[in-house]
Amino acid sequence: GESVGLHLPTLSVQEGDNSIINCAYSNSASDYFIWYKQESGKGPQFIIDIRSNMDKRQGQRVTVLLNKTVKHLSLQIAATQPGDSAVYFCAANSGYALNFGKGTSLLVTP
Amino acid sequence: KAGVTQTPRYLIKTRGQQVTLSCSPISGHRSVSWYQQTPGQGLQFLFEYFSETQRNKGNFPGRFSGRQFSNSRSEMNVSTLELGDSALYLCASSLLGVSNQPQHFGDGTRLSIL
Repeated sequence: GESVGLHLPTLSVQEGDNSIINCAYSNSASDYFIWYKQESGKGPQFIIDIRSNMDKRQGQRVTVLLNKTVKHLSLQIAATQPGDSAVYFCAANSGYALNFGKGTSLLVTP
Repeated sequence: KAGVTQTPRYLIKTRGQQVTLSCSPISGHRSVSWYQQTPGQGLQFLFEYFSETQRNKGNFPGRFSGRQFSNSRSEMNVSTLELGDSALYLCASSLLGVSNQPQHFGDGTRLSIL
């Protein structure tokens, strides 16, 4: 079946470094992709999205890269801060639904 | 602009009971989706409602049902509760649908089954 997966369940980075979180999807028909951040006790918070007609999109301190050839996307966080510590989910559309990956837990150490 | 509101935040039920969860979407949003989140399975899609009609459904048993009212508020019902239904239930809303625009999530209802 269709799946969305993250390469690493946990990632530890030092404050100030750049973080890269990776994600793979299986449905070649997916044309919309989205990243969410979830802090403890809260619902997922929208970070950034990208459509399949783009390879790269930038936001505030975040960049999403999409490689449709290998069905891979990544989230880059510049100058990672302690407040970035959270679980990050990628999701890809499939028909009327969004399929979510299991999440990568990002831990920012001082 | 108020975000997505889910009530109650916490619920404790026993096996065999039923439960109703409520979701108020962002004003103007017509699409409401429900998800179940567990440590083992992650975020799993339950169903989506748009203009009071269920437009899409995930792979969950018929014990899970929902509805949407004319003001876009939505309720989710789970009957004959099982221990495995313990989870965080999340509601998300978007303007027109889930497939090509961001959904905005509430903070969820934590359901515990004893």
